[in-house]
Amino acid sequence: GEDVEQSLFLSVREGDSSVINCTYTDSSSTYLYWYKQEPGAGLQLLTYIFSNMDMKQDQRLTVLLNKKDKHLSLRIADTQTGDSAIYFCAESMTAGNKLTFGGGTRVLVKP
Amino acid sequence: GAGVSQSPSNKVTEKGKDVELRCDPISGHTALYWYRQSLGQGLEFLIYFQGNSAPDKSGLPSDRFSAERTGGSVSTLTIQRTQQEDSAVYLCASSLRGQSPLHFGNGTRLTVT
Repeated sequence: GEDVEQSLFLSVREGDSSVINCTYTDSSSTYLYWYKQEPGAGLQLLTYIFSNMDMKQDQRLTVLLNKKDKHLSLRIADTQTGDSAIYFCAESMTAGNKLTFGGGTRVLVKP
Repeated sequence: GAGVSQSPSNKVTEKGKDVELRCDPISGHTALYWYRQSLGQGLEFLIYFQGNSAPDKSGLPSDRFSAERTGGSVSTLTIQRTQQEDSAVYLCASSLRGQSPLHFGNGTRLTVT
């Protein structure tokens, strides 16, 4: 079955880079997503990558995909206190189809 | 509206009562999803509507859960005879024709006492 795994917690100093890692098991995954959830809020789509890409950059965010190892990462450059949140990795077989989520990584940015 | 709207934002109910949760998707989005987020369970898929097709109900945890989508827009998730284990945040999302990323609402926090 499908399974998506993430580490539970990441602590980073303000101004440093954060790297959040995710592994998935379904080799037929076509789209991989990163969502951000702040306290009391829903999930905010940060970025997504199609499985035939290995990298996508969007301002401070860089997504790397290693399809062979089924490993996805999200790098946040120059991490700010406003980046403190829970980050969810998710995968789907078709865009917009039902997603399978990882358990989320809580990122704490220290001043 | 500009985003996915859910109501109520919070609901406290007594065990055994029925509850209805509402979702207004982004205008023009034909695909609508319900997810549940609870401690220790992460985000669980519940049900998926796409246009006029039969919904994918494969994630509904029991027959106490049902959902409908009227007129291809607003959706209502109904939980009958609520149990304490139903306490969670229920998140709704929509996407354009099921071919674009999901956009989530802020959720309804359900507490069953």
